[in-house]
Amino acid sequence: QMQLVQSGALVKEPGASVRLSCKASGYTLTDYHMHWVRQAPGQGLEWMAGISPTGITFYAPKFQGRVTVTRDTSTNTLYVGVNGLKSDDAAVYFCARESGLLGAPAKNFDYWGQGTLVTVSS
Amino acid sequence: QSAPTQPASVSGSPGQSITISCTGTSSDVGAYKYVSWYQQYPGKAPKLMIFDVTNRPSGVSYRFSGSKSGNTASLTISGLQAEDEADYYCCAYAGRTIHYVFGSGTKVTVL
Repeated sequence: QMQLVQSGALVKEPGASVRLSCKASGYTLTDYHMHWVRQAPGQGLEWMAGISPTGITFYAPKFQGRVTVTRDTSTNTLYVGVNGLKSDDAAVYFCARESGLLGAPAKNFDYWGQGTLVTVSS
Repeated sequence: QSAPTQPASVSGSPGQSITISCTGTSSDVGAYKYVSWYQQYPGKAPKLMIFDVTNRPSGVSYRFSGSKSGNTASLTISGLQAEDEADYYCCAYAGRTIHYVFGSGTKVTVL
């Protein structure tokens, strides 16, 4: 059964870095594009970044240089790192699978993790 | 690149039909067939409801349908039910620089 299970909620100070995880089960991570989407409290969804089956990463312009997407194929786990946390980085971060198998163009997100709440506070 | 615009709220009575618009630009909504729609309940992850403008994933009710004209995509919910009360977001592919843009979101209320 397809599942994406994300790491637990975190509290970080401004300026700190954070790395969130998303463990896939029921399929092989490298068979699909994977993405990170975040949602600030009471706000809408915001696409952040993605990684292709071949490991090519791509980022929304506002996150380029401050966000890094990686994966560990041995554990079938996706990661996102965010540096220099600011108050407006406080959000629920979701991982999501793009539906096209082996990189076939799909451009939609068919499975989502449960989300990880990141609080930024001193 | 600003988010496609959606009405903040739409409401309807049970059994009625409602339509949610998603107005973008010729660089996103109007540029590709890759417009999708997501339903989100409070505190939950989004769920894919429509992909490629008009297609429904397996398991999604036939009451949900999508369309697009120019730079505006639309989601129609027919035979409105209490369980349809949720937030809805459109998402458009916007090319290899911007990649994806989500709409501003619409809260659907069943009266």
